[in-house]
Amino acid sequence: SQTIHQWPATLVQPVGSPLSLECTVEGTSNPNLYWYRQAAGRGLQLLFYSVGIGQISSEVPQNLSASRPQDRQFILSSKKLLLSDSGFYLCAWSKQGYQPQHFGDGTRLSIL
Amino acid sequence: GIQVEQSPPDLILQEGANSTLRCNFSDSVNNLQWFHQNPWGQLINLFYIPSGTKQNGRLSATTVATERYSLLYISSSQTTDSGVYFCAVAAYTGANSKLTFGKGITLSVRP
Repeated sequence: SQTIHQWPATLVQPVGSPLSLECTVEGTSNPNLYWYRQAAGRGLQLLFYSVGIGQISSEVPQNLSASRPQDRQFILSSKKLLLSDSGFYLCAWSKQGYQPQHFGDGTRLSIL
Repeated sequence: GIQVEQSPPDLILQEGANSTLRCNFSDSVNNLQWFHQNPWGQLINLFYIPSGTKQNGRLSATTVATERYSLLYISSSQTTDSGVYFCAVAAYTGANSKLTFGKGITLSVRP
């Protein structure tokens, strides 16, 4: 069966520091991968999605970037964090085409 | 883009009661999912239901695609059902099932 892993689960970072969140999927190949952010008390917003290695689409302009160095690895990064980057970040995967998405457990990011 | 509206925004139930959660969407969809977000933030897949009716234990869901709405039914609610319920859809003309989420329905089940 397929599983998705995100780490770390919780992260506290100072303003201006870099960020790297990692997501990996097991048990499938060539998945679609997604990064979402959930601000406190709100719904989820799609940040990036990827249909293959090195292929990244950005949904909203922001201080973050994403990369997909391997088939089942998806990384969310920032060179300099802002206070507004605080939130709950979730990674998701789906099979190619119009298929349901499955979510990881998320990373709670606090910026001080 | 596609709009998703969920109602009611908040719901308080006594344990054992039944409830209906509604999701309206503004365009044809190729994907509709219901999720339960527990107090730890985990998003639990409840249903993948772009059309039709499905049941899983005390939960069932119905999507009427032609009328652009979906309903989630919870019967004999339990305190563990508490949390936020999200409906998410992907527009039919969109690529790769990019989901747009509603704002969620906060359910509190009291013992």
